[in-house]
Amino acid sequence: SQQGEEDPQALSIQEGENATMNCSYKTSINNLQWYRQNSGRGLVHLILIRSNEREKHSGRLRVTLDTSKKSSSLLITASRAADTASYFCATVLNSGGYQKVTFGTGTKLQVIP
Amino acid sequence: EAGVAQSPRYKIIEKRQSVAFWCNPISGHATLYWYQQILGQGPKLLIQFQNNGVVDDSQLPKDRFSAERLKGVDSTLKIQPAKLEDSAVYLCASSLGLGQGGSSYNSPLHFGNGTRLTVT
Repeated sequence: SQQGEEDPQALSIQEGENATMNCSYKTSINNLQWYRQNSGRGLVHLILIRSNEREKHSGRLRVTLDTSKKSSSLLITASRAADTASYFCATVLNSGGYQKVTFGTGTKLQVIP
Repeated sequence: EAGVAQSPRYKIIEKRQSVAFWCNPISGHATLYWYQQILGQGPKLLIQFQNNGVVDDSQLPKDRFSAERLKGVDSTLKIQPAKLEDSAVYLCASSLGLGQGGSSYNSPLHFGNGTRLTVT
């Protein structure tokens, strides 16, 4: 089952613009992670935000987390053609001694040069 | 460090045939995951191992899918017999897992490039 619903499903922007993707989830979490997937490849971890954090930055990435609304957003600033990929949020719940990691439905980002 | 290795990269079989996928996780990673990703969707967890024990196989179709992790390292996922709806990319991932001594930390997943299965 998919825990996260991502919005929009697809996004097309010009190079240099900012891209914002949103993720909503349903249950409690310990942390939320964002991953990127290039066509035909596996997922690559981008950033992790813990449930007691509200905002985190890494290079051109900015992630926010609102646990009261059960939502997160990923902002990519000054986008590049190489950012073209699918982006997935993943909710993590530590339970029974292991991590339960559930992925969302994904946002397909196209950055036009 | 070497990444997660998966093979084969592609596989085409006819329905009712059997197929097996292999995964070698990153050295020292206690947790190994098998995900199924249907085109246009997010990865769906099939089975999760902690060392060589299964911790979650709630979404594994056990009448046709099986998996094992020998000696807590390599893993194989098998489908027998395959159905048309099994056409998907099968992703293996590994992570350090939770910390020892009751503490926990949250480690990201490292994915292989997957096996693309086509069932005709």
